[in-house]
Formats: sequence, C-alpha cells, structure tokens
Amino acid sequence: NAGVTQTPKFQVLKTGQSMTLQCAQDMNHNSMYWYRQDPGMGLRLIYYSASEGTTDKGEVPNGYNVSRLNKREFSLRLESAAPSQTSVYFCASSEVRFKAFFGQGTRLTVV
Amino acid sequence: AQTVTQSQPEMSVQEAETVTLSCTYDTSESDYYLFWYKQPPSRQMILVIRQEAYKQQNATENRFSVNFQKAAKSFSLKISDSQLGDAAMYFCAYRSPPNSGNTPLVFGKGTRLSVIA
Repeated sequence: NAGVTQTPKFQVLKTGQSMTLQCAQDMNHNSMYWYRQDPGMGLRLIYYSASEGTTDKGEVPNGYNVSRLNKREFSLRLESAAPSQTSVYFCASSEVRFKAFFGQGTRLTVV
Repeated sequence: AQTVTQSQPEMSVQEAETVTLSCTYDTSESDYYLFWYKQPPSRQMILVIRQEAYKQQNATENRFSVNFQKAAKSFSLKISDSQLGDAAMYFCAYRSPPNSGNTPLVFGKGTRLSVIA
C-alpha cells in the first residue's frame, strides 16, 4: 500500500550540479505530475504526463526535464541546478475524475 | 487558463469554533472538479473534500463542508468544531472535466490556519 514514492526526501546541491528526482506509483494510474512548492506560491506545475509515452510542460518548466520511464515511474531531472530551484518538489499521480495522490515531497536546497 | 485564488494568506480560529476559508476560481468550463487539500507540517498532502461542479448539493465530510456557489465561482471550506490537529496549510484546487483529458490540478497559493487552544 505504498501509493506514490519519491526519492530522495532531502538533497543539497551545489550550483551547477545535476540530479534526478525519482517517483514511482503502484496504483496503475495513467497520469503523473511534478509540482514545486515555494512559500506564498502554492504548488506550481513543472511537467506532467497524461499517459505513458507523453509529457507536457506545465507552468514553470524551465531548467527541468522529465522522463516517463514506464507507467509506474516519472523522473524529474535538473541538468544544472540553480539557487532559484531551491524548493520542495512533489510528485503526484491520478486517474480521470479522481483525486491526486501525492508523494512525501523532496526538499531540495541549491547552494 | 484556469486560475484559483485564495485571498486569505493566514487565518486563526479558537479551538471548538468554526472557521471558513475562501476560494474563488476562474474558468469558462461548465463541468469541473474542486478540491480542498490539507498540508500539515509533515508536508503530506491530504485530501479534505471534493466537489463535482454538476452536483448542486454541497459536499460534506464530518466536520468539513463546502459552500459551492457555481455562478459566483466560489468554493469556500467550513471547518466546524475546530481541533488543534486542523492547524495546517489549506490549498484549494481546480481540475478540468474528463473530456479535457487527464489534466493536472491547478492550485491556489494556500491559507495557513492556526488553531488557538
């Protein structure tokens, strides 16, 4: 009964370093999403994948890339981290009509 | 594009009292879904309540209820008999109908609720 699993939970990067945030869901959902949460800004959509094999940009895609590896997994990559990417990142999944299930979040700090 | 506005960055309520959190949204669609999510300090996103726009009856879940005013595009959350465990960030969210594809949730900026003992 894991739901949505994100790794890692915490990460500190130096400016210019790269990293990949991993996300997996075990609910057989078609759609998966990456959001970032910043103080006073709510959750903003970075990228989403409506179904396996498709990805689309959200509100704040610059500086990120995604891969929908298979139906279960949707990763988010920062190629060259910047301090502006310091944030809490959430992965989520859902089916049409139903609520979104969220992972526990990744707190990323770029120094 | 749809937008969601939460005009109250912070609210406070006395324990056992009632509080209402406001949410308005902008859309040209006639069918859609609205949600309230709770985020305690643990960061976990917890669904509080959900409303389908084609249903006129306001959704309720125990101490949580909504006042859905479709014409006014308003979706407020009422918490009755507030408890210390209700202290959290609350996010209002909008989702397009299924015939628009599997679209993401659009969130408001949140309201931080404090509960005073």
